[in-house]
Parts: sequence; C-alpha cells; structure tokens
Amino acid sequence: GAVVSQHPSWVICKSGTSVKIECRSLDFQATTMFWYRQFPKQSLMLMATSNEGSKATYEQGVEKDKFLINHASLTLSTLTVTSAHPEDSSFYICSVSDRGQWNTEAFFGQGTRLTVV
Amino acid sequence: DAKTTQPPSMDCAEGRAANLPCNHSTISGNEYVYWYRQIHSQGPQYIIHGLKNNETNEMASLIITEDRKSSTLILPHATLRDTAVYYCIVRFGSRYGNKLVFGAGTILRVKS
Repeated sequence: GAVVSQHPSWVICKSGTSVKIECRSLDFQATTMFWYRQFPKQSLMLMATSNEGSKATYEQGVEKDKFLINHASLTLSTLTVTSAHPEDSSFYICSVSDRGQWNTEAFFGQGTRLTVV
Repeated sequence: DAKTTQPPSMDCAEGRAANLPCNHSTISGNEYVYWYRQIHSQGPQYIIHGLKNNETNEMASLIITEDRKSSTLILPHATLRDTAVYYCIVRFGSRYGNKLVFGAGTILRVKS
C-alpha cells in the first residue's frame, strides 16, 4: 500500500498560536486527501476533503477559516490550525486516495497529536 | 451519518477465529464495504474491501450476504496484536466523492 507520512507526530503549542501539519504521500499520487480529527475514546471525524489544485470541501460544522487546508501538489497537503485553543487539542489524521475511485483503498498517515496549552 | 451498525465490543480467545459483524441495510448498488482497524494512537490500517463477492487476503476474509445488507469480517487465527478498534465502512459513491465516513466501530479484545 501507499506510504503516507505526517509531520510532526506530536506538537505542543501555546494558545493563540498557529500550527501547521504536513501530510505527504511518498509513493502515490494523491489526487484526493482527507483530514480527520479524533478526540479520546471517539471515532474519526471527517473534517474536510481536498482535491489537488482546488479548494477544500469542509464538512458541516468545521470552520474553514480556522482549519486552513492547502493541497498544492499530488504529494503534499497541509492543515493549519489557526489561533489554536485548548479545545483544538486532538489527534489529526490525513488520508490519501485516488479521486473518483471508491473501489480502491484509502491510506492513512500515522497521525499528529496536537496539544494546546 | 455513518451507514453501518456494529457491536460496540467483542472478545476473542487467542488462536481462535474472530468474527466481526456489520449491518449496512441501506447500502446502494455501487457502494463498497470497507474494513479498517485502528490500534491505539495510530492511523487506521486497511484490512479488506468488497462489493458483493466474498473476499480473502493475507489478513482476513470478508463475507457479504447475498442481499448485501450485512457482512462479516473474519480474522482466522486471532493474535494479541489484533486487539484494536475495527471499523466497517460503506464508501459513498460519486455523488459524495469517495470519502470514508467512520462510525463507532467494534473494540475487539483478543485474550490469551
């Protein structure tokens, strides 16, 4: 399967600062990338879908101005949490897929643990 | 909303087969059933997927009922390392893009 790398694996930041999380597809041209958030003891919640070269599509209730997603190339997508607050502390996970294909597997990164203090 | 229903938890003895059920009674004709698992604090790991025929790979077998309203994931010889949360997902078709929407999943505990 495809290798998906997220960086950093964990990050601690001060309240009010912004944090950027990178998701790289190392051996797969990811026309579509997904960003998820997972709180402790809960399931993954889809935040947004991004297609290479176009604006991301956000799920209902997810603030697009707070969670900035950039998908400028087929191998890199970034999620920036702007003006982070303690309630944004969570496990953020990216996934890569081939646009328009729902009969092939999606591959996930190892996740980024964000702690806002 | 997740389109699948799974039991919240199951136990299995090490070395025995683990059979994880999933109901997806509203599945559409072109929607696939996917199974992923997540070990604590890691990203989900792909296991298997299928449309209507039974599928088998090196990790597991997927049995889909003829009416496609339910399926069972079978881990033939469960080990302690198979302890994880298992997610059954119906992948939306082209109208919704190809996103994976996770439900609550089943916590599988493999015990020695």
